[in-house]
Amino acid sequence: GESVGLHLPTLSVQEGDNSIINCAYSNSASDYFIWYKQESGKGPQFIIDIRSNMDKRQGQRVTVLLNKTVKHLSLQIAATQPGDSAVYFCAEPHNQAGTALIFGKGTTLSVSS
Amino acid sequence: DAGVTQSPTHLIKTRGQQVTLRCSPKSGHDTVSWYQQALGQGPQFIFQYYEEEERQRGNFPDRFSGHQFPNYSSELNVNALLLGDSALYLCASSLFRAGTNTEAFFGQGTRLTVV
Repeated sequence: GESVGLHLPTLSVQEGDNSIINCAYSNSASDYFIWYKQESGKGPQFIIDIRSNMDKRQGQRVTVLLNKTVKHLSLQIAATQPGDSAVYFCAEPHNQAGTALIFGKGTTLSVSS
Repeated sequence: DAGVTQSPTHLIKTRGQQVTLRCSPKSGHDTVSWYQQALGQGPQFIFQYYEEEERQRGNFPDRFSGHQFPNYSSELNVNALLLGDSALYLCASSLFRAGTNTEAFFGQGTRLTVV
């Protein structure tokens, strides 16, 4: 069945380091992926998305890489800041007809000063 | 521009009771999805409403039902509450585009505790 999973439940980095959060997906037909950030007590916040016709997409301090061959997605955060501390989820659509999403379990990023 | 708003923010109910949660979508959005997020887990898709009809449904029992109003706002109803229904309930809104996926914006959620 469809599922979106993450390699590591937690990641601890020093302020200023680059962070890489990984995600493996199982549905090879998925053509859209999204990364969300969720801070404690808040709803998920959209970070960046990528469609399957792209391998890489860059935002402000964030880059998403998509490797369709091995069904792997990663989120890179440059110069990680304490404010980046949160749980990060990758997500893919429930199907191609709408915006219902399937989420992985999340990676908790902790940034120390 | 108001984002997605949910009410109430917190709620405590007793087993067997019924609960109604409310969501107002982001301005300009016409589609509302509901998710259940247990502690330490990712959000799980419950169902999605568009044009006042349930369009997609996740693996949740019939105790979970919903409604969408003409102004695109939505309600999530849960009957015969179980302890396991305790979770953060999230609402997400988006703009429907046929044949493609669009960005979904989430509200802050309603924390439901069943005792």
